This record gives sequence, C-alpha cells and structure tokens, in this order.
Amino acid sequence: DIQMTQSPTFLSASVGDRIVISCRASHNISRYLNWFQHSPGTAPKLLMFGASTLHGGIPKRFSGSGSGTDFSLTINDLHREDFATYFCQQTVRIPRTFGQGTTLEI
Amino acid sequence: QVELQESGPGLVKPGETLSLTCTVSGASVSSSYWWSWVRQTPGKGLEWIGEVFHSGGASYNPSLNSRVSISIDKSKNQFSLSLDSVTAADTAVYFCARDVITATSGGISDVWGPGTKVIVSS
Repeated sequence: DIQMTQSPTFLSASVGDRIVISCRASHNISRYLNWFQHSPGTAPKLLMFGASTLHGGIPKRFSGSGSGTDFSLTINDLHREDFATYFCQQTVRIPRTFGQGTTLEI
Repeated sequence: QVELQESGPGLVKPGETLSLTCTVSGASVSSSYWWSWVRQTPGKGLEWIGEVFHSGGASYNPSLNSRVSISIDKSKNQFSLSLDSVTAADTAVYFCARDVITATSGGISDVWGPGTKVIVSS
C-alpha cells in the first residue's frame, strides 16, 4: 500500500492566519491527490482533487500544490469555520489510502 | 442536491456480520459513478474499504478482501456493505461516498454521508 504521511498532526492558529499542511507519499503518485476537510459528526468535505484543482464552492483562500511525493495544502486568511481536521488521500492505486490527518485548532 | 445517508445497527457482536446501507437521494445509483465505503477508527484513521459500480463490479481493500462485500440495489437506490466475522478492530465510524473516476485524477469522493458509528462488542 502507498503510505501517506501528513505534518503536522496538530496545528494551532488564529483567525486571519495563513497555514500550510504537508502530505508526503511513500511512492510517486503524480498528481493523484485529494484533500478533505472534516469536523466530527459531519460528512467529510472534498476541498481539492488532482493536487490543486478546487472543488466547486470551495473558497479561493484554499490552495494546493505539489506532485510526485510531496504536496501541500495552504489556507490563507483563516476563517473560524476552517478549524477542522484535514486529510490527504492518494487515488493512483488501490487501496486508496489517507494521511493520518491534521487537526487545525485555535 | 445529492445526499447520502448511512443506516444500520450501531452494535454488532464479535464473529457476526456487520451490515450497513447507504441511501442515495438526488442521484441514481445507476448513473456512471462508483459508490464507496470508508471507515474511521481512532487507531488507524481513515481506511478505504471498497467501491461498487452500477454494473455490480467492485473493488475492495486487500486487507479486508476475504470478509467484505459491497452490493447495489437499484430498485431502492441504495448500496450496502457487508463485513463478516467482525472483531473489536472493526469498531469505527463508517462513511459512504460517491466517487467520480477520471483518468487524470483517479477516484474523487465528492459527496459523503455523515457517517454511522458501529461498535463491535458482546
């Protein structure tokens, strides 16, 4: 299986900050990478696919970059509703595997 | 608006079969999407379980392959997960999702259900 490693695991920030979450794949996954946002008790929300393509309705303060094995998710101008857990997922090979998550907290 | 909702027993005994259903509204399970299951455990995080196409073709996580089956019921616009011989390690929140498969982006889970918690305990 392709292992996905996110860093950091926890991230403290404030409203208005800019943060970056990293995701590293154990094998080359080209740009087959999705990012999700999740809060407990709710449905996970797709933010981005293809490493950098914003899903419909996602604000432009979210951006993604990377290819191969190293990827990042950047959130500019943090809003209160952005405080949640973020997961990356590779989709180049089955089983599709996820990072362990990064919890963004105030 | 497409919505997915998981349902099923919240408590299953060890050794028994876990059965969950995902009801789809706002879209047809007969359309050209794959329909998948993912679970979240405190220890292992998010784990992709498998997916099914409207034709009945399916792919599964090899780690669960011998115990898992995903099927589709077009008449009820639902798809289901069956996991045999469960243990405490199968205690998790189970999510269903709709997947778009593209050549350039692989599988994209663009709509998810809110999840249902299943505890395996006697």
